[in-house]
Amino acid sequence: GAVVSQHPSRVICKSGTSVKIECRSLDFQATTMFWYRQFPKQSLMLMATSNEGSKATYEQGVEKDKFLINHASLTLSTLTVTSAHPEDSSFYICSATSGGSSSGANVLTFGAGSRLTVL
Amino acid sequence: GESVGLHLPTLSVQEGDNSIINCAYSNSASDYFIWYKQESGKGPQFIIDIRSNMDKRQGQRVTVLLNKTVKHLSLQIAATQPGDSAVYFCAENKSGSRLTFGEGTQLTVNP
Repeated sequence: GAVVSQHPSRVICKSGTSVKIECRSLDFQATTMFWYRQFPKQSLMLMATSNEGSKATYEQGVEKDKFLINHASLTLSTLTVTSAHPEDSSFYICSATSGGSSSGANVLTFGAGSRLTVL
Repeated sequence: GESVGLHLPTLSVQEGDNSIINCAYSNSASDYFIWYKQESGKGPQFIIDIRSNMDKRQGQRVTVLLNKTVKHLSLQIAATQPGDSAVYFCAENKSGSRLTFGEGTQLTVNP
């Protein structure tokens, strides 16, 4: 089946540094990928839609200069958290549309997530 | 055991019992409703979905029921096993639009 790989799975950084998280579709091409943020015991919050070859679409309230998204190829999207601060500590998850379900819905395949801790 | 979804985010059941996880959705224009399972420290996994023109769909050990009159969705898991312990999210999707996730329910299966 479709696999989405995320790297790194865990990262600890100092406040003020930037962190890059990669999201790769391993066996399919993804023109669109999605980046989510998840706080403990909470649901997934969509941050942005990453579009191959064009600018990402950010959800309301998400700072595009803070969370830089680059979708340079059909199999790779990156999220860079710039000048990270402790409040940016969270679980970041990417996903990509990997096909249609038997009902006809677009099935999202999720990566395993990246846990960011900013000290 | 049965949860009330958004109002009761935890559900504890005995191994072998059936579980019912509930979800209330908001967008009556949604075309699809999807259930995802998220184990601790991992990304969500697709379980089953249902189109808005259906009221029931069955998979392996799981059944999804849709009641559009009251905007209610449920996931039934038969013969719950310890490996079913996870957070379950319902999600709704209108074709061409983004997926919207519900609050989630933590299912704990006691041996």
